Amino acid sequence: EAGVTQFPSHSVIEKGQTVTLRCDPISGHDNLYWYRRVMGKEIKFLLHFVKESKQDESGMPNNRFLAERTGGTYSTLKVQPAELEDSGVYFCASSAGRGALSGYTFGSGTRLTVV
Amino acid sequence: LAKTTQPISMDSYEGQEVNITCSHNNIATNDYITWYQQFPSQGPRFIIQGYKTKVTNEVASLFIPADRKSSTLSLPRVSLSDTAVYYCLVGPILTGGGNKLTFGTGTQLKVEL
Repeated sequence: EAGVTQFPSHSVIEKGQTVTLRCDPISGHDNLYWYRRVMGKEIKFLLHFVKESKQDESGMPNNRFLAERTGGTYSTLKVQPAELEDSGVYFCASSAGRGALSGYTFGSGTRLTVV
Repeated sequence: LAKTTQPISMDSYEGQEVNITCSHNNIATNDYITWYQQFPSQGPRFIIQGYKTKVTNEVASLFIPADRKSSTLSLPRVSLSDTAVYYCLVGPILTGGGNKLTFGTGTQLKVEL
């Protein structure tokens, strides 16, 4: 079974530019999550999709971040305009069930560097 | 969600048993204890989960005392490839609202020859 795929694996952009990260979850997983770790900090939850609906977006830092999951398959996370503090690693995870702490499969992440 | 505390780092040598203890004094009755492992340039990966007493799988063992205020992840005979960050997470199996995983700082395990 293919795992969770994220791309690009790395992205370097200038402050003020736009970047779009993509996540392809495991096929059939209705739940998709975005997390991120900024330099020196802990991995933090950003938001949770159930199919194409945003179930919880309480972790989104501000309105420069926009996540979509059209059709309930892959998801994109757009940062516009990017700021220096957005640098970090963005992880995507998917799960079949909603709450089992063991059921999450993470992608390898996208390392975003804003210069 | 219950807050967890674990050592920032640990060092070991190949072939040794490594025990990483996590404190979770405010664990709730319906909370489970879950450990994730993260290698550099990869996302976290589930390794083991338990509620009480002892759980063992092909990767590790998890020891949970009766009061459940702490837990110990045991890695038998570690190798260089076990060098990773290990996260202890505490939370319910089923949540009515959010389903966030709450990661702490984790324990950076370094295994040397």
